Amino acid sequence: GENVEQHPSTLSVQEGDSAVIKCTYSDSASNYFPWYKQELGKGPQLIIDIRSNVGEKKDQRIAVTLNKTAKHFSLHITETQPEDSAVYFCAARGGSQGNLIFGKGTKLSVKP
Amino acid sequence: EAGVAQSPRYKIIEKRQSVAFWCNPISGHATLYWYQQILGQGPKLLIQFQNNGVVDDSQLPKDRFSAERLKGVDSTLKIQPAKLEDSAVYLCASSNYRGLDEQYFGPGTRLTVT
Repeated sequence: GENVEQHPSTLSVQEGDSAVIKCTYSDSASNYFPWYKQELGKGPQLIIDIRSNVGEKKDQRIAVTLNKTAKHFSLHITETQPEDSAVYFCAARGGSQGNLIFGKGTKLSVKP
Repeated sequence: EAGVAQSPRYKIIEKRQSVAFWCNPISGHATLYWYQQILGQGPKLLIQFQNNGVVDDSQLPKDRFSAERLKGVDSTLKIQPAKLEDSAVYLCASSNYRGLDEQYFGPGTRLTVT
């Protein structure tokens, strides 16, 4: 089955710097890769996603890149702000069942 | 548009007791999921419903966990009897069409088993 590895587990940056979180997946049939932000005491919130027919997608300060050959995808946050502090999860979906397999999460801290 | 609703938000029980969680998905969403999130880990799928039918329950510990979605809308997840290792956040999510669209999560129920 699918396996998703996520790095780093913690990341601390200064406000205004960029943050990059990387994930690798094992199932070459996976075709959908969402990123979720989870704040303390809340459920995961979808922030951006990418499908396997696209190499990059941007939404304001957030971008995601996908390398299907290497089976890895990354989240890029530019001009970080303290409110970006949260745990970020990557996920991958393979096959037709729509089941998401999540990474273990990255705790991002943005210091003012 | 209202989001996914879950209740209760918190529950503390002793081992061997039973507990039930309730979920109301986004209006019109046919697919509903229950996830278990253990502290420090990502969510893990327990069961997926398409309308009121089960699509995937391969990771549901069926000796103690059960779930139903009788009218294709609300869903209930039950644990009986609970074990210490069931302490986790139980998340409900829904998506629009056959599980191929984006999944939207509720706030979760934090269960502590003592």
